[in-house]
Amino acid sequence: DVKVTQSSRYLVKRTGEKVFLECVQDMDHENMFWYRQDPGLGLRLIYFSYDVKMKEKGDIPEGYSVSREKKERFSLILESASTNQTSMYLCASSPGLAGRLSYEQYFGPGTRLTVT
Amino acid sequence: QKEVEQNSGPLSVPEGAIASLNCTYSDRGSQSFFWYRQYSGKSPELIMFIYSNGDKEDGRFTAQLNKASQYVSLLIRDSQPSDSATYLCAVNPGRGADGLTFGKGTHLIIQP
Repeated sequence: DVKVTQSSRYLVKRTGEKVFLECVQDMDHENMFWYRQDPGLGLRLIYFSYDVKMKEKGDIPEGYSVSREKKERFSLILESASTNQTSMYLCASSPGLAGRLSYEQYFGPGTRLTVT
Repeated sequence: QKEVEQNSGPLSVPEGAIASLNCTYSDRGSQSFFWYRQYSGKSPELIMFIYSNGDKEDGRFTAQLNKASQYVSLLIRDSQPSDSATYLCAVNPGRGADGLTFGKGTHLIIQP
């Protein structure tokens, strides 16, 4: 079974703090993703990575950065947390294309971040 | 602007009946389509994916795809109370390793 883990289920931070959210997958997947989920807005893609040290902006990258130093680990960084970044953060991974037409994504349990 | 549309519900279905969930998408070049189930407070769980026109069955679940109409649906036969959840439709735009575009989900309630 694919397993995606996230470092915290719940996190409370203060405005202006630097916040690190960690994600680890154990299936040797090439692709990793960070989404946020908000009521009424659904899931929105922040950043994704298709290889070590590679990153691509998603739909809402402003205020975030990412790091992928190892294949299994993808970190999301909030450089200076703000209250509008209070949200559920979901990490996902998927295998590389390599002859496939579709590549399903598997999600971690999520981190509910509150910025006060 | 790529969009995936779903009726937010709630969709109420009696236990044992067929639940029908629908999704439309705007990007005609989309390649593959996914259905996720999300229980309250939990992360999305993959149920099925489909990338060819027609039907794909897996147990009580059937995914249906019509690319000409840009329409994908999920049927749940013999609905159970444990099927009560939010169902997310997701579309891959087919440009490589891009993330999926998700609909906002349909809240399904199975009434005992």
